[in-house]
Amino acid sequence: SQQGEEDPQALSIQEGENATMNCSYKTSINNLQWYRQNSGRGLVHLILIRSNEREKHSGRLRVTLDTSKKSSSLLITASRAADTASYFCATDLTGANSKLTFGKGITLSVRP
Amino acid sequence: DAGITQSPRHKVTETGTPVTLRCHQTENHRYMYWYRQDPGHGLRLIHYSYGVKDTDKGEVSDGYSVSRSKTEDFLLTLESATSSQTSVYFCAISESVGLAGKTYEQYFGPGTRLTVT
Repeated sequence: SQQGEEDPQALSIQEGENATMNCSYKTSINNLQWYRQNSGRGLVHLILIRSNEREKHSGRLRVTLDTSKKSSSLLITASRAADTASYFCATDLTGANSKLTFGKGITLSVRP
Repeated sequence: DAGITQSPRHKVTETGTPVTLRCHQTENHRYMYWYRQDPGHGLRLIHYSYGVKDTDKGEVSDGYSVSRSKTEDFLLTLESATSSQTSVYFCAISESVGLAGKTYEQYFGPGTRLTVT
């Protein structure tokens, strides 16, 4: 079964609104990462949060991690049309020996 | 795309033929990965390498083999292509892991779209 599962599967918002995406996982992790994929392109790393961190910021991105609930959230503030993309969470499982496990992704559409 | 190239970018091949995809990096990163991306499945790991001539299987390795004879190149071979291997294939690289084997971010190539007819 999928380790990292994102929610919702698809999200459509108006430019300027905030977008919140969630990821749940099943087992112990070293860190959790979020990636973005624009149509027809490779994935681009956005942010990494370690298991001993609870919140991290990078520009308009805010990531939280709740290890007790085995969940993470990615918040994009003041969204732009250019944020339209698919977003993936990836978990570095404890003992996984340098491998990441990716979720199926969330499709975000930001309407101008 | 962080000094990672994939070739070819597009390929159409027939069932039963062997196919080799190439990933080339200029970053001197130790770890290299091959993934496939399919609708409804996200990204799934096929094989990965943790050094020259050091490789290991991922989640969906059946029907695939890999080789890494030098740091910069990681080859993925479909020994006898099947229609179920029609997919988009991504290569990724990562720096050496840190203490306790913790994984850091991966950098992805542009992808290869493979169609098996």
